[in-house]
Amino acid sequence: GENVEQHPSTLSVQEGDSAVIKCTYSDSASNYFPWYKQELGKRPQLIIDIRSNVGEKKDQRIAVTLNKTAKHFSLHITETQPEDSAVYFCAAGGSSNTGKLIFGQGTTLQVKP
Amino acid sequence: DTAVSQTPKYLVTQMGNDKSIKCEQNLGHDTMYWYKQDSKKFLKIMFSYNNKELIINETVPNRFSPKSPDKAHLNLHINSLELGDSAVYFCASSHLTGSSGNTIYFGEGSWLTVV
Repeated sequence: GENVEQHPSTLSVQEGDSAVIKCTYSDSASNYFPWYKQELGKRPQLIIDIRSNVGEKKDQRIAVTLNKTAKHFSLHITETQPEDSAVYFCAAGGSSNTGKLIFGQGTTLQVKP
Repeated sequence: DTAVSQTPKYLVTQMGNDKSIKCEQNLGHDTMYWYKQDSKKFLKIMFSYNNKELIINETVPNRFSPKSPDKAHLNLHINSLELGDSAVYFCASSHLTGSSGNTIYFGEGSWLTVV
């Protein structure tokens, strides 16, 4: 069945360092790959997304890369700040006409000041 | 203005009770969802409605029944609550098609605790 694997489950970095979170997906028909950030006690919020016709997308300190052949995509956060500390979720979707997103298991990012 | 709003935010109830969570979106989206987030933070889709029509119905106990009176509202009713139903339930909405298709916006969540 459809599956999204996300690694690592926890990530601790020093402020100013980079953080990378990786995901792989199983459904080759997936064409939409969003990333959500969830702070403690809050809702998941979209931070960046990429569609299958693009290999890379950047928004300030955040970038996402997509390798459709290998069926994996990654989130890169540069110059991390303590406020980047949160749980990050990748997701894959678009393979059906239902809007269904399959989420990864989440990565808890801790940025130490 | 809150784009996707759901009530109540917190709900503590006893086993065996029936409860409802309401959701409304003012984004003009045609599709609404219910997601469940368990204690391990895993987000799993439960239901989806497109223009009031059920289009996703994952393996969820029959005690869970969604209702969509119109495309801006999607409610979730849960019968005979069990301890394992304790979780955060997120309502969400999106357009199904177009350049922003599939971009899902979540409500603030409803924390359900069954005791």
